Amino acid sequence: GAVVSQHPSRVICKSGTSVKIECRSLDFQATTMFWYRQFPKKSLMLMATSNEGSKATYEQGVEKDKFLINHASLTLSTLTVTSAHPEDSSFYICSATKDYEQYFGPGTRLTVT
Amino acid sequence: QKEVEQNSGPLSVPEGAIASLNCTYSDRVSQSFFWYRQYSGKSPELIMSIYSNGDKEDGRFTAQLNKASQYVSLLIRDSQPSDSATYLCAVNPAGGTSYGKLTFGQGTILTVHP
Repeated sequence: GAVVSQHPSRVICKSGTSVKIECRSLDFQATTMFWYRQFPKKSLMLMATSNEGSKATYEQGVEKDKFLINHASLTLSTLTVTSAHPEDSSFYICSATKDYEQYFGPGTRLTVT
Repeated sequence: QKEVEQNSGPLSVPEGAIASLNCTYSDRVSQSFFWYRQYSGKSPELIMSIYSNGDKEDGRFTAQLNKASQYVSLLIRDSQPSDSATYLCAVNPAGGTSYGKLTFGQGTILTVHP
């Protein structure tokens, strides 16, 4: 297998503030990472593909200026939710690919009050 | 038509029985297929991958792939209450490239009762 970590695991922030979530591949290098969000009792929704050293590719309907993604190294991608609002409250999960298999981080539960 | 379709369940089986989870996909060129297990409140965990037609066994889990029928399944033998979770079928539609996006089914909720 492979280990992917996320930080923080849980965050509560006030409406209008920004929140940064880190995703790290701990025992392998990942040129590509993926960011998902998941609402309760729903399946995963892919938000964007994070590419090391280049711009992220966003899925249709995902605002790139609201969800800023930076993949500055082969082991770290960050997702920043800017000017968060209560409707951004969700479970955010990253993943990274190793040997054709995609491994998920433990997720970050964001609550915007 | 959904790209990856699963029976949403819930599927309920008694402890010790075989649980059978099914998945169909629409993109005929798909090459890589995965089963993930997701416990409530947790992120998905990869339990099986399969790339060739036929069966692949790993412990109590067997994945079956039939590309002609565009069908992939997961069998769980000797089901345990700890197997109770949502099982996600995922397909890589990008011809097997290692960085391809996954398309997920909606998940099947499995409950194993003592």
